[in-house]
Amino acid sequence: EVRLVESGGGVVAPGRSLRLSCAASGFTFDDYAMHWVRQVPGKGLEWVSGANWNGGSTGYADSVRGRFTISRDNTKNFLYLEMNSLRADDTALYFCAKDSGSSGWYHFDSWGQGTLVTVSS
Amino acid sequence: QSALTQPPSASGSPGQSVTIPCTGTGRDIGAFIYVSWYQQHPGKAPKLVVYEVNKRPSGVPDRFSGSKSGNTASLTVSGLQPEDEADYYCSSFSGITNWGVFGGGTKLTVL
Repeated sequence: EVRLVESGGGVVAPGRSLRLSCAASGFTFDDYAMHWVRQVPGKGLEWVSGANWNGGSTGYADSVRGRFTISRDNTKNFLYLEMNSLRADDTALYFCAKDSGSSGWYHFDSWGQGTLVTVSS
Repeated sequence: QSALTQPPSASGSPGQSVTIPCTGTGRDIGAFIYVSWYQQHPGKAPKLVVYEVNKRPSGVPDRFSGSKSGNTASLTVSGLQPEDEADYYCSSFSGITNWGVFGGGTKLTVL
């Protein structure tokens, strides 16, 4: 059974940094691209970032490019999101999602339960 | 990275059919088969219900079907059931970014 468990969320002041982690199990992690998707409570889904199977190809939403960095450790089956220069509008529930393919964006066939990031002074 | 366009709400009575459109451009929905739909109940993670325009994952009822015409994709839920009440999001690969984009979401109400 595929399992994705996010962690690392919390309350952080504007301008500070936070690192999210996603522990993956139940599948061959380095066969698949992985993504971060966020959702402001009561609002829609927003794709944040993705990484191909080996992390050699990454993509970012315009809203986070230059501030967030996605990475993965295929030896430990972990996906990460390093978030710097956090702003109030980064407040959201952050989901980790597994792609069905290895190279980029196909469809997201498994999702974690999310970790909440609140940016507030 | 413009979001795909969905109506904010849709509704239908039990047993009826409802179709939710998702409009993109010739650089995303119109150009690729990588159109997918996700169902999200309150407080839950999204769940894939349709992928590659019209394919259903194992376990998804055949009441859920997808289609595409030009730059618009559609999700049809037939024989509406109370448990179908949820938010639905479309997504598509984008040839501009080589990644993808979500629609704004449609809240489906079963009357």
